[in-house]
Amino acid sequence: GENVEQHPSTLSVQEGDSAVIKCTYSDSASNYFPWYKQELGKRPQLIIDIRSNVGEKKDQRIAVTLNKTAKHFSLHITETQPEDSAVYFCAASKGQGGKLIFGQGTELSVKP
Amino acid sequence: DSGVTQTPKHLITATGQRVTLRCSPRSGDLSVYWYQQSLDQGLQFLIQYYNGEERAKGNILERFSAQQFPDLHSELNLSSLELGDSALYFCASSVALAWNEQFFGPGTRLTVL
Repeated sequence: GENVEQHPSTLSVQEGDSAVIKCTYSDSASNYFPWYKQELGKRPQLIIDIRSNVGEKKDQRIAVTLNKTAKHFSLHITETQPEDSAVYFCAASKGQGGKLIFGQGTELSVKP
Repeated sequence: DSGVTQTPKHLITATGQRVTLRCSPRSGDLSVYWYQQSLDQGLQFLIQYYNGEERAKGNILERFSAQQFPDLHSELNLSSLELGDSALYFCASSVALAWNEQFFGPGTRLTVL
């Protein structure tokens, strides 16, 4: 069945360090991979996404890489700041406008 | 602000009751998705509507139903509520089927006592 595994479940870094969150998906037909940031009690907010025809995408301090062969994608945050502290979710979907299958989430804590 | 609105923000009710959650998608978005977020199950897809028609169903209980109206707003109906239905219910919308980005509303926090 469709499944997305996300690691680690918690991640603590010092301000200015980099953070990496990894996800693995099971359905090889998946073609769209978004990342969401969710602050406590708030809505998931789309921060970056990547499609299966692209290997890497960058937006300022955040980047996402995709390895279709390994069915693996990762979120990289550089120069972390305390306001980056939140829960981050990866997701995968297939087809056009398909449902999102979410990973279990990573609680990122950036210590000043 | 994503442009997706949901009402009410909070809902407290008793077991066995029925509630209706409402979602208005972003202006111009035709597709609406409902997700449930609980501590033990994470974010789970429930159901999707596109331009008034049901398009996909996920792990939605038979006690739950939804619809999308001609003005594209959607309602999620939860009946015979159980304690385990307590969760955050999010609605998301996207422009069209060829456009994957989904934008989430602020959610409705349902507490069943």
